[in-house]
Amino acid sequence: DAEITQSPRHKITETGRQVTLACHQTWNHNNMFWYRQDLGHGLRLIHYSYGVQDTNKGEVSDGYSVSRSNTEDLPLTLESAASSQTSVYFCASSVGGRDEQYFGPGTRLTVT
Amino acid sequence: QQQVKQSPQSLIVQKGGISIINCAYENTAFDYFPWYQQFPGKGPALLIAIRPDVSEKKEGRFTISFNKSAKQFSLHIMDSQPGDSATYFCAARKMNRDDKIIFGKGTRLHILP
Repeated sequence: DAEITQSPRHKITETGRQVTLACHQTWNHNNMFWYRQDLGHGLRLIHYSYGVQDTNKGEVSDGYSVSRSNTEDLPLTLESAASSQTSVYFCASSVGGRDEQYFGPGTRLTVT
Repeated sequence: QQQVKQSPQSLIVQKGGISIINCAYENTAFDYFPWYQQFPGKGPALLIAIRPDVSEKKEGRFTISFNKSAKQFSLHIMDSQPGDSATYFCAARKMNRDDKIIFGKGTRLHILP
């Protein structure tokens, strides 16, 4: 079955370290998104991509980067992890021009 | 600037009761209004969605009511069950169909058995 997966599911890292969160989807969706979820803030868009080599900043992109080298993957990199980046991160994908986004199971990141 | 305002933050309802979650938006360019349901430890999943050309959409026990003039929409869960306990997000998307969805802050719903 087609799906969207995230790894790792849990990660603890230290302040200042570079961290990469993986997102992989097998639906061949053009669009992919990264969100962070924090209590009281809901889901906030970090970065998104409409296809290979396309990346765009969302509302909370500072300190994060993405790259899209193929259709299936959109890794999220925290260049220098900060305690403010402790959160649950969700990846999502959608078919271009369609409405529904499909979410992965999330990665809980703790920065100490 | 919060483009989609959701209330209440949390809600407790007795089993069999009606759960009501409200959302308001500001941008008249929005043309798609989904509700997502999220269980603990899981990612959000689309529950039901509506477009502004209709005032109501019903799927089983879940109904969206939409008031275009007031720029408000709400989710009603009839005969609420303990299995409905989850976090619910309303959302909106603009007409340019760039697929970005703007989410409300979420409502934690707890149904008492």
